[in-house]
Amino acid sequence: AQTVTQSQPEMSVQEAETVTLSCTYDTSESDYYLFWYKQPPSRQMILVIRQEAYKQQNATENRFSVNFQKAAKSFSLKISDSQLGDAAMYFCACTLLQGGSEKLVFGKGTKLTVNP
Amino acid sequence: GAGVSQTPSNKVTEKGKYVELRCDPISGHTALYWYRQSLGQGPEFLIYFQGTGAADDSGLPNDRFFAVRPEGSVSTLKIQRTERGDSAVYLCASSQGASYNSPLHFGNGTRLTVT
Repeated sequence: AQTVTQSQPEMSVQEAETVTLSCTYDTSESDYYLFWYKQPPSRQMILVIRQEAYKQQNATENRFSVNFQKAAKSFSLKISDSQLGDAAMYFCACTLLQGGSEKLVFGKGTKLTVNP
Repeated sequence: GAGVSQTPSNKVTEKGKYVELRCDPISGHTALYWYRQSLGQGPEFLIYFQGTGAADDSGLPNDRFFAVRPEGSVSTLKIQRTERGDSAVYLCASSQGASYNSPLHFGNGTRLTVT
């Protein structure tokens, strides 16, 4: 079965500092996609960043970047210059192509607190 | 509307009752997904629609759960004979195509509480 593991239930960071959230996954597929989603108290899942597994270059979106280690099946998220608005639950997800459709498998999430 | 709309925002029901949860996707999005998020967990896939048809319902936990999308737009998730274990946030998402190619846009979810 496909699994996504986030080993850090909670993390905290000082405003303006950098924090890294960890994620490992297990998949038998040769081609897949990885995502980080942010979920604030409003409950809406917001896409932060996406990585195609066949691309060696790590994806970057402004202050957000990933460290994608395909052999190790690791996909960590780095948030630079942390802001108070970054405080939220962060979920790592991997695509699963099964049963004729493509869906996401999520980890359990990491709660990020940003301290002023 | 600008985003995916889910109604109601919160629903409290008694054990054994029937509930319907509604999802209004972004206009023009052909793909629609339902996920369930239990407390302290990540979302879990329930069902996927491409147009009007359920392309994959392998995530529905049992036959008490059913979902429809009759006109390829609005979708309704229906739960019969609700149980306390059904309590969760039910998230709907839509996209223009497969989620890896077109990002999923999520709604704010419906929090279902079964007492």
